[in-house]
Amino acid sequence: EDQVTQSPEALRLQEGESSSLNCSYTVSGLRGLFWYRQDPGKGPEFLFTLYSAGEEKEKERLKATLTKKESFLHITAPKPEDSATYLCAVWYDYKLSFGAGTTVTVRA
Amino acid sequence: GAVVSQHPSWVICKSGTSVKIECRSLDFQATTMFWYRQFPKQSLMLMATSNEGSKATYEQGVEKDKFLINHASLTLSTLTVTSAHPEDSSFYICSARPTRSYNEQFFGPGTRLTVL
Repeated sequence: EDQVTQSPEALRLQEGESSSLNCSYTVSGLRGLFWYRQDPGKGPEFLFTLYSAGEEKEKERLKATLTKKESFLHITAPKPEDSATYLCAVWYDYKLSFGAGTTVTVRA
Repeated sequence: GAVVSQHPSWVICKSGTSVKIECRSLDFQATTMFWYRQFPKQSLMLMATSNEGSKATYEQGVEKDKFLINHASLTLSTLTVTSAHPEDSSFYICSARPTRSYNEQFFGPGTRLTVL
């Protein structure tokens, strides 16, 4: 059973068009939910770690929130350089379990 | 800070040969390193967890005799793909967990392996 599910698989946005990505998880006793950005042919780049429901973190145009069953990554007024695949992962059983990712394309 | 390097960044080899990939934490010590594999348009799949000075722990379905992992120091882990075949072609990514942390991981840039 998948522990981490991300939606949508792909998202095409116009520059400036805000949107949200979803990450739902089924593990109990969450010990950390991570968001990463991955550019083609590169390793994941750390964005945020969230630990408890209600927690929020921001970085430039990105804001991550966490509830008891899901996390959202909000992209506000995106720019073309925000185009990437965004990966969500949960820390469980001493390792990270990744979702399949959401590929975001921002058109100028 | 928290930089992880991988070498080589890409490699092409003939079927049946072995390939070694290095993963180094450049500015921190890492008791634990992780090796992932990523196929095109798919997410990262954990292959094994490597602890300095001890044997690696492999995920279910990963052949430990084919993917040899050595974590000889607090800054270096190596993955050797033995007798590589075309189906082993993939993007291999390592990550390192700082000794001071229990769940942070910093990822390397990845190694693209193509087996002809």
